[in-house]
Formats: sequence, structure tokens, C-alpha cells
Amino acid sequence: KQEVTQIPAALSVPEGENLVLNCSFTDSAIYNLQWFRQDPGKGLTSLLLIQSSQREQTSGRLNASLDKSSGRSTLYIAASQPGDSATYLCAVRRLGGGATNKLIFGTGTLLAVQP
Amino acid sequence: DVKVTQSSRYLVKRTGEKVFLECVQDMDHENMFWYRQDPGLGLRLIYFSYDVKMKEKGDIPEGYSVSREKKERFSLILESASTNQTSMYLCASSVNSPLHFGNGTRLTVT
Repeated sequence: KQEVTQIPAALSVPEGENLVLNCSFTDSAIYNLQWFRQDPGKGLTSLLLIQSSQREQTSGRLNASLDKSSGRSTLYIAASQPGDSATYLCAVRRLGGGATNKLIFGTGTLLAVQP
Repeated sequence: DVKVTQSSRYLVKRTGEKVFLECVQDMDHENMFWYRQDPGLGLRLIYFSYDVKMKEKGDIPEGYSVSREKKERFSLILESASTNQTSMYLCASSVNSPLHFGNGTRLTVT
């Protein structure tokens, strides 16, 4: 059974710092991995999606990497800003299952960027 | 941009009531999903649908049912609400990847 873990559960950094969020999964047979951001009381916003054949994806100050063999993904945030404060979740889509696109979510990392 | 709209942001219902949570998407996506999110447990899949009138159980379907009469609308039904169904409910849609979420409905059952 696929399990997705995110450590740490919470992280506080000063503004301007570069930081890395971690995501681990137990079964390397994944179709893709997706990183989301969730603001308090809101839904999830998709940040980056990495296909299983890819090693990384970049969007602005965000860079996500994927190492399937070790069951790990990282989300790198450069030059953090207070507006980056949110909960960050990763989710893996299992191989197979047709077009059902079932995702397994981690429990998230709550990031606070201090001004 | 894909828009997934959940009809209510906050709901308060009494134990035993029948509750309908509505979700509409505007991008003609085949796949739609209902998740619930609880502290320490993350997001858990309740039901999903990959076509009109089609539905499949997710990981925690007990106490819930769903309806997909039209492609754009996916409803979650609590037949007889219980206090352990107090949660944040999130609807999502996709054509393949990535998943697009609504803003959530926070349901409190008293």
C-alpha cells in the first residue's frame, strides 16, 4: 500500500531564505507526483506536476525534483517571502487504474515565512 | 482557468439530517472526486466518478453516497449525518493530470 510522508510537519524560516520541503513515498511504481499549496480554510492549488519519466520541474521560484528509485521528491523554494506561508502537500498518482487518477496525499508541511 | 465551484463554504447540520454537498466544474472534465480533510489524517478519497452516472468507492465511502447525473456536477450525499462526519470536504476534477480543487466546504454536524 502506497504511503506518502512529509517531514517536517511544520517549518518556520526568515524571509529571503532558500528552503527545501521533503516528500517520501513507499512504492516507486508511480505515474506522477504533484505538489500543492493550501492556504488556511481554502482548497488546494496545484503548483508543479512531475511525470515519472522526469527528474524535475520549475515554475518561477519553485523547483520540484523526483527520484523514483529512492522514493523521494523535494520542493525547493528560492528567496522565500511571507506570501509563501501556507501548507504544502505532495501527492502521488499510482500506476494503473485507468483514467481514474487517484492520488495519495501526504499530510503536508506547514510553512511560515517570517518578515 | 479551470473553475471548480463548491456551493457552500460553511454548513452546519444536525445529526441525522440528509446533507447534500454540490460541486460544479466548467472544463468538461471526465473525472471528479470528493475528498475529506482532517487534521493529522490528510486528504482521504471518499468517492470518485470517471463519467456521467459512473461512480467508484474511494478509501472511506462508508456513510456517503454520490450522484453524477450531468458531466459538470458531482454531488456528495450524507444520508444521515453524524458528528464524525464533521470535516472539510474538497471536490476536485481532472481530465488526466493535474487535479483542480474547489475551495472546500467546512461541514459541522452537531
